[in-house]
Amino acid sequence: DQQVKQNSPSLSVQEGRISILNCDYTNSMFDYFLWYKKYPAEGPTFLISISSIKDKNEDGRFTVFLNKSAKHLSLHIVPSQPGDSAVYFCAASDGGTYKYIFGTGTRLKVLA
Amino acid sequence: KAGVTQTPRYLIKTRGQQVTLSCSPISGHRSVSWYQQTPGQGLQFLFEYFSETQRNKGNFPGRFSGRQFSNSRSEMNVSTLELGDSALYLCASSLVGGKAQHFGDGTRLSIL
Repeated sequence: DQQVKQNSPSLSVQEGRISILNCDYTNSMFDYFLWYKKYPAEGPTFLISISSIKDKNEDGRFTVFLNKSAKHLSLHIVPSQPGDSAVYFCAASDGGTYKYIFGTGTRLKVLA
Repeated sequence: KAGVTQTPRYLIKTRGQQVTLSCSPISGHRSVSWYQQTPGQGLQFLFEYFSETQRNKGNFPGRFSGRQFSNSRSEMNVSTLELGDSALYLCASSLVGGKAQHFGDGTRLSIL
């Protein structure tokens, strides 16, 4: 049972345009969400997070939106840069634990 | 500041053997989590340790075990290795009360 789903395995975007990565979850007890970026042969790198008490969190070019009623979150990258090309994972946890459930990832390719 | 260090980076074993993987967290981090990453499955949570105690456990068989030492370093052990155990094993550490986990670059385990 996949509680966190990233239904798009890959996404290609032109440099300078917006990249939108999506993530859906099924467990209504999840109250904290994170996005990670992963390059080949490296561990995931933390990007941005959001608590369920908020619906938006911004950090530079990265913005995460949370729609609790739809159990959906998205990561917006504006403007997209070639260095953003990587696999992006969303993750969720409940109750302030450190047990994070990860999605299967979306491979983003930013075309120069 | 040194990041999360995992050793070894690569390991080749045969079926039936056992293996021990090591993780040194970021200095001051007391929580250490372990994940298994396989193609198409994303990151699967194995377990989390805090102050030498296992606080959370994922849905893996008892062949997978771990421990944490007083200096927060952690080891993961897999006994009676199976072909399906071939994966990238990632360790992540976080501060007490912190939300963002910082990952090491992983140990690539191959079972022949």
